[in-house]
Amino acid sequence: EVVLTQSPATLSLSPGERATLSCRASQSVSNYLAWYQQKPGQAPRLLIYDASNRATGIPARFSGSGSGTDFTLTISSLEPEDFAVYYCQQRSNWRLTFGGGTKVEIK
Amino acid sequence: QVQLVESGGGLVKPGGSLRLSCAASGFTFSDYYMSWIRQAPGKGLEWISYISSTSGYTNYTDSAKGRFTISRDNAKNSLYLQMNSLRAEDTAVYYCARDLSPVTTGVFDYWGQGTLVTVSS
Repeated sequence: EVVLTQSPATLSLSPGERATLSCRASQSVSNYLAWYQQKPGQAPRLLIYDASNRATGIPARFSGSGSGTDFTLTISSLEPEDFAVYYCQQRSNWRLTFGGGTKVEIK
Repeated sequence: QVQLVESGGGLVKPGGSLRLSCAASGFTFSDYYMSWIRQAPGKGLEWISYISSTSGYTNYTDSAKGRFTISRDNAKNSLYLQMNSLRAEDTAVYYCARDLSPVTTGVFDYWGQGTLVTVSS
């Protein structure tokens, strides 16, 4: 099973600041990594797939990068609605796994 | 518009069974792989199982293997999860989710609102 480790667990930032979230895989997942955003009481929302492709309707302030074992989700300038929990997820094999999440909270 | 609506959750005793359903609409259900994903209270996401578009392939996480069975009825645009031998650690919100496209599997662009399963005596 591929273990995904997200860091930091919590990120305290102010609106307008840049957020950089990390996801590290225990073995190479090529570029088969996705990012999701989840707000309290809601289902997750797909942001990025295959490391760097924005899903339909996702604002350009969200970007993804990386390959192999190290991946980054960047939010260039935080909007109030961006404060949420973010999960990475790999699909390099059919034992799909998610990271433990990073909470982006208002400082 | 794409909609996924889960049902069938509830309170069940340890060792009991439950069958979850997911009603799909707004897309050609028979073209897409579908998955069940769960989230224990206050915890992260855990993929449970997937089924291919024609039911030819299924897969399960280790904790579900032998206890849970995923199935679908393309004529009814419905996905199911039969859960047997339930344990306290199966307590979670269960989501059904659709693959991004018929050729991009294992990425989920639409999710239902979830149905809560509570396993407790």
